[in-house]
Amino acid sequence: AIRMTQSPSSLSASTGDRVTITCRASQGISSYLAWYQQKPGKAPNLLIYAASTLESGVPSRFSGSGSGTDFTLTISCLQSEDFATYYCQQYYSYPYSFGQGTKLEIK
Amino acid sequence: EVQLVESGGGLVQPGGSLRLSCAASGFTFSSYWMSWVRQAPGKGLEWVANINQDGGEKNYVDSVKGRFTISRDNAENSLYLQMNSLRAEDTAVYYCARDAYCSGGSCYVYWGQGTLVTVSS
Repeated sequence: AIRMTQSPSSLSASTGDRVTITCRASQGISSYLAWYQQKPGKAPNLLIYAASTLESGVPSRFSGSGSGTDFTLTISCLQSEDFATYYCQQYYSYPYSFGQGTKLEIK
Repeated sequence: EVQLVESGGGLVQPGGSLRLSCAASGFTFSSYWMSWVRQAPGKGLEWVANINQDGGEKNYVDSVKGRFTISRDNAENSLYLQMNSLRAEDTAVYYCARDAYCSGGSCYVYWGQGTLVTVSS
């Protein structure tokens, strides 16, 4: 099974900051990677798929990059509504798997 | 509007069984792969299983193989997860999700609200 490792596990930042979250796969997954945002008590919300394709309706301050084993999610100018937990997911092979999550908190 | 509504969660003793249901509406259910994803309290997301459009192909995470069975009834627009031999580590919110084609595989745009399964004596 492919293991997905995110870093950092938590991150403190301020509104207006630029932040980057990293996701590493235990083996190559081409660009079969998605990013989700989850707020407490809610289902996850898809942000990016195919490593860098922005889902419809997602603000352009979110961007993704990478291929193979190393991927990043960047939020260019943090807004108050962006403080949440972020997960990566590989869909290269079964069983699909998620990273452990990165909690983005207000500094 | 796509809607996914899970039901069937609750408290069950270790070794017991539970059947989760997911009622789908707002789309042609029989045209989509469907999945179950779970989240233990305060923990991250874990993909559990998925099933293809006619139920002929199923995939599972290793930790539930032989204990959980995913199935569907296209006439009833419903997805199921039969969970047997439940363990404390199966305690989680279980989400039903519709697979979306994300350039080569499945990611998830539509999710239910989740149903909580608690395995405890």
